[in-house]
Amino acid sequence: AQSVTQLGSHVSVSEGALVLLRCNYSSSVPPYLFWYVQYPNQGLQLLLKYTSAATLVKGINGFEAEFKKSETSFHLTKPSAHMSDAAEYFCAVMKGGATNKLIFGTGTLLAVQP
Amino acid sequence: GAVVSQHPSRVICKSGTSVKIECRSLDFQATTMFWYRQFPKQSLMLMATSNEGSKATYEQGVEKDKFLINHASLTLSTLTVTSAHPEDSSFYICSVGQSNTEAFFGQGTRLTVV
Repeated sequence: AQSVTQLGSHVSVSEGALVLLRCNYSSSVPPYLFWYVQYPNQGLQLLLKYTSAATLVKGINGFEAEFKKSETSFHLTKPSAHMSDAAEYFCAVMKGGATNKLIFGTGTLLAVQP
Repeated sequence: GAVVSQHPSRVICKSGTSVKIECRSLDFQATTMFWYRQFPKQSLMLMATSNEGSKATYEQGVEKDKFLINHASLTLSTLTVTSAHPEDSSFYICSVGQSNTEAFFGQGTRLTVV
C-alpha cells in the first residue's frame, strides 16, 4: 500500500531564504508522486509531479523536487522564498496503477517572514 | 489541464437538511471523478470515486447513504450530504483526471452545518 509522510506541519522561513519541505513515501511499486499547493479556502494546484522520468523535477513558481529512491524521499525545494509562497503544501502518491486516486500527506504550512 | 468548477463555494445549512454540491468538468469528459473531504488543519481524505452511469465506489468508513453521489453525465458529478449534522462541516473538493498520472481539482466547497 502506498503512503506519504510529511515531516513538519509548520515551516517558517525568511523571505529570500531556501525553502525545504520534506516528504517520504512508501510504495511497493514505482510511485507516482506529486506536490500540490493550497491557498486558504481554495482547491489544490499542482506544483510538480514525478512519473518515473527524470529524478529532478522542475515545477511552477520556481519549485523543484528530487526523487531519491534510496532515501524514499521526494522533498520540495525553492532557492529563494517569496511572500506569495505562504500556503499549505501537500505531498501525494497516486494509489494503484490504473486510477488516479491520490493519497495525501498531512500537509505542511509554510510561513514566509519579511 | 482540465478545468474543474465546483458550486457552491460556500454553503451554510441547518442541521437535518440536505445539501447538494456540484462538480463540473468544463473542458474534459470525465468518466471518473473523485470526492475528497478536508477537515480544518488536516489533510484531504478520499471519500469516494464517482463513476459515470454507475454506482459510486466509497472508501472504507464513508457512509454511502449519508453522502449520495450521482454522476449522470460525463461533465457533472454531484455530492449530496443528507441529514447534515455539525460534524459534517468540512471542506469538500472534487477532482478530475485526464490520465492516470494527473488530477485536477475544483475550488472546493466550504460546508458549515449549524
